[in-house]
Amino acid sequence: AQKITQTQPGMFVQEKEAVTLDCTYDTSDPSYGLFWYKQPSSGEMIFLIYQGSYDQQNATEGRYSLNFQKARKSANLVISASQLGDSAMYFCAIVETSGSRLTFGEGTQLTVNP
Amino acid sequence: SAVISQKPSRDICQRGTSLTIQCQVDSQVTMMFWYRQQPGQSLTLIATANQGSEATYESGFVIDKFPISRPNLTFSTLTVSNMSPEDSSIYLCSVQGPSGGGEQFFGPGTRLTVL
Repeated sequence: AQKITQTQPGMFVQEKEAVTLDCTYDTSDPSYGLFWYKQPSSGEMIFLIYQGSYDQQNATEGRYSLNFQKARKSANLVISASQLGDSAMYFCAIVETSGSRLTFGEGTQLTVNP
Repeated sequence: SAVISQKPSRDICQRGTSLTIQCQVDSQVTMMFWYRQQPGQSLTLIATANQGSEATYESGFVIDKFPISRPNLTFSTLTVSNMSPEDSSIYLCSVQGPSGGGEQFFGPGTRLTVL
């Protein structure tokens, strides 16, 4: 069974600084995808970034990058130049290619301070 | 990505009643998913809905409590039946993205409060 662990219930960062949100995963499937989602207080789930298990390069999307360390089974999200609008809950998720079910971690509440 | 809408966006209901949540997608999709997010918690998959077949429910969720319809490739409904305060949650529908990587795009969610 696939599992996601996010060990940081809350994180604080100063505006314009970078922040890393931790995510470790467990799966027995050699082929899988890793995702990060942002959930503002409005409740919507916003897809941020995707990393495939066979991707050689770390994924990047604008200010978001995914630090993928396959041997350590970690997929940390790095947000550069934090903005006040980045304050939200962030969820890491995994899907095994053999299935379609997304399994989410418990989330990290990020607060960006001015 | 697909544009997904949900109705209602929020509702306050009395215990013992039922609420049907609608999910509309602006393009045809094979699989639609329904999730529940209880207060302060992560998302949990309720069921996967394929057009033309019975929904597949996850452990802990049953059809009598959460009946799902999938009449066509752009629409699905989730009913929360015989509600209790423990059903107070955000309910979200999602669809798979086109890339084949397994990403899912979510609707805006329905905030349900049961008194």
